[in-house]
Amino acid sequence: DAEITQSPRHKITETGRQVTLACHQTWNHNNMFWYRQDLGHGLRLIHYSYGVQDTNKGEVSDGYSVSRSNTEDLPLTLESAASSQTSVYFCASSEASGSNEQFFGPGTRLTVL
Amino acid sequence: SQKIEQNSEALNIQEGKTATLTCNYTNYSPAYLQWYRQDPGRGPVFLLLIRENEKEKRKERLKVTFDTTLKQSLFHITASQPADSATYLCALDIGQGGKLIFGQGTELSVKP
Repeated sequence: DAEITQSPRHKITETGRQVTLACHQTWNHNNMFWYRQDLGHGLRLIHYSYGVQDTNKGEVSDGYSVSRSNTEDLPLTLESAASSQTSVYFCASSEASGSNEQFFGPGTRLTVL
Repeated sequence: SQKIEQNSEALNIQEGKTATLTCNYTNYSPAYLQWYRQDPGRGPVFLLLIRENEKEKRKERLKVTFDTTLKQSLFHITASQPADSATYLCALDIGQGGKLIFGQGTELSVKP
């Protein structure tokens, strides 16, 4: 069965360190998204991609970057982790056309100390 | 400013009753509106989609209405069960290449 996975599921890091969160989907979807979820804010879009070599900034992109070298993966990098980036991160994917229903991964809980 | 609002207070109801959740938005003209369910520690799961030209959509015990004049969607769960307890998110598709704008979610608790 097709799926979308994220790793690690939990991560504790220190301020200033570079962190990369992995996202891998086997749906063969062109669209991929990264969100962060915080109490009181819901899901906020960080970056998204419509295909290989395509990346775009979302609502809260400062301090984050992504790259898309293949269809299956969209890793999210925190260049220099800050305590404000402590959050739960979700990756999602969707088809390039149709209803745009998004399929979400299980999430990564990141703590920046 | 553009915003989406869902019931900020948690909704507590008795098993067997109908739960009604609200999603209001301003300054958007969504092509579609979607509803997702999220359980603690898990990612959201798609439930239903309704198009701007549809007034109502049903799926088993779920019903969604969409009023583009009021800029509001209502999400109903009939004959609610404790297993329906979760957070429910509405999301607007504003026709920007698959991007969704999510509300903050409403927590539903169904008591036996």
